[in-house]
This record gives sequence, C-alpha cells and structure tokens, in this order.
Amino acid sequence: GIQVEQSPPDLILQEGANSTLRCNFSDSVNNLQWFHQNPWGQLINLFYIPSGTKQNGRLSATTVATERYSLLYISSSQTTDSGVYFCAGGTSYGKLTFGQGTILTVHP
Amino acid sequence: GAGVSQSPRYKVAKRGQDVALRCDPISGHVSLFWYQQALGQGPEFLTYFQNEAQLDKSGLPSDRFFAERPEGSVSTLKIQRTQQEDSAVYLCASSIRRVSYEQYFGPGTRLTVT
Repeated sequence: GIQVEQSPPDLILQEGANSTLRCNFSDSVNNLQWFHQNPWGQLINLFYIPSGTKQNGRLSATTVATERYSLLYISSSQTTDSGVYFCAGGTSYGKLTFGQGTILTVHP
Repeated sequence: GAGVSQSPRYKVAKRGQDVALRCDPISGHVSLFWYQQALGQGPEFLTYFQNEAQLDKSGLPSDRFFAERPEGSVSTLKIQRTQQEDSAVYLCASSIRRVSYEQYFGPGTRLTVT
C-alpha cells in the first residue's frame, strides 16, 4: 500500500511566524487531503488538493502530483493553530492512508 | 446540513464485552469509511461501504470486528469480546464520491477497554 511520510514531526513557533509542512507519498494518489486535529480529536478539513495550489486565508497548500509530494503553508501563525496536522492520500475509491502527523505548538 | 455524527462519544467496556458504535453520515453521501486511531498515531483504515455494500474490509484487525450499513445510511461497527488492544478512537467518515473523494469525519468514539 501507499506509504505517507510527514515532516517535521514536531514544530515549535512564536506567534506571527510562518511555517511549511511537507508530505511525501510512495506512489501516485488521486485523493489528497490536509487535516487539522483539534485538542478534542476532531479532524477538520483544511484542503482537498490532489493537484495544484489552493489558498484559504492564512493557509495555503500545493501538491506536485508528478513528484508525489504536498506542502502546507501557514502564515502569521496564531496560538489557535496549535494541534496536529495530518496529510492523507489515497487511490481508487478514496480510502485514505494517513501520515504520522506534525505536532505544531505556537507560543504567544 | 449537519456533519457526520457518532455515538456514543465515549465508551468504557470490560474486557470480553461486546460493543456497538454508531455512525450517521452526511445525508446523501454514498461512501462511508471507518478508521481506528491509536494514541499518538494517524488514523488507520478499517473498512469501506458504498451504499449498503461493504466493498473493502481489509483493515479490520480480526474476526471480532464486524461492520454493517444495511440501508445505505447509518452504519454500525461492532466489536465482540473486546480486548485491551482495542482501546482507541474509532472515526467514521463519509464522502459524496460522485463529484469528489473528499472525506468528512465525525468526532469519533473513544473506546477504553479495562
């Protein structure tokens, strides 16, 4: 099956800093999503991005499908951005394989 | 409309008990998935339904795990004779599939087996 590798595993920032999270896939995917898991465990959809670039406020994502990686950019980070960020990819009917996550801590 | 809902949110079971976890997907979503998330890990796929048909159950860890979706809407994940290693958060997700594979997740059920 697909292997998903996320980096970095941990990231500590001061409020206002920018960051980039990366996700590498072992094989091509036709379904790729980024999630933020809040402290209560809810997975919040950030982006559905099998290819291309999308932006939503301070967050943006880029997927280079031919090179099997995706990037999540967080600009002007806030304490409320803290939590675990997951990328997940899949093929065919959409079954997702998740990475191990990046734990983001933003200090005031 | 409402998102994916799951019940109960928390379940404590004694080892050997049977449990049933419920998932209500977003109305009209054809695809339904169950995932298991152990502490500190990413979710792992358990099983997949398209309408009422269970098309992939390759992730179910043992024959003690059983899932159904008899009318193509609500789904139930049943675990028989629970073991301590079954302690985890069980997540349900649904997808409309026809135009997008994007999955939307419920809040999960945290199962603790004592």
